[in-house]
Amino acid sequence: DAGVIQSPRHEVTEMGQEVTLRCKPISGHDYLFWYRQTMMRGLELLIYFNNNVPIDDSGMPEDRFSAKMPNASFSTLKIQPSEPRDSAVYFCASSRGRIGAGANVLTFGAGSRLTVL
Amino acid sequence: DQQVKQNSPSLSVQEGRISILNCDYTNSMFDYFLWYKKYPAEGPTFLISISSIKDKNEDGRFTVFLNKSAKHLSLHIVPSQPGDSAVYFCAASSGAGSYQLTFGKGTKLSVIP
Repeated sequence: DAGVIQSPRHEVTEMGQEVTLRCKPISGHDYLFWYRQTMMRGLELLIYFNNNVPIDDSGMPEDRFSAKMPNASFSTLKIQPSEPRDSAVYFCASSRGRIGAGANVLTFGAGSRLTVL
Repeated sequence: DQQVKQNSPSLSVQEGRISILNCDYTNSMFDYFLWYKKYPAEGPTFLISISSIKDKNEDGRFTVFLNKSAKHLSLHIVPSQPGDSAVYFCAASSGAGSYQLTFGKGTKLSVIP
């Protein structure tokens, strides 16, 4: 099992540019989560999907952020236009079933470090 | 309003001694708690968990204690090893609500050889 795969690992862009982060969850996992990590706010949930359907996007900071999951093996997080305050590490994670049920846990990818100049 | 708090940003411990990492929560609906470990440039990895029906769970050198009345949990590492140096995140889930984890800000553990 290759785990959760994220790309790119590092992205440096200029303010105003569009940024697209990609995620491939673990095969068979039906939940997919996007988290953002900053020094100030720690790890915060942006959005999560169940069976490719967005369930809760209340953590998405602004309309500049959007996420899609066109199929069970791929998700994107898009920021358009990007701003310097979006600089953070973005993690994708997946799980099979409800967290806690049968000791299911969240498995994270290695993260995408975004720097917006 | 932070629902999961890790009040110690960092902790240094001598190799071979016990490391105790603490976590407090405010949401009484949380019923499942996890600890994750994170090395630089990697994603958090699951370490150990505990359900609210228990007050202790042990896995090798790692033990998690839960005090529901105090809304407090702690992670004990005995004995501490240099490879344990990492950032440790406490996380909580509410089975009655959504399917998401709420994380603390983390505690950076340094184990000194």
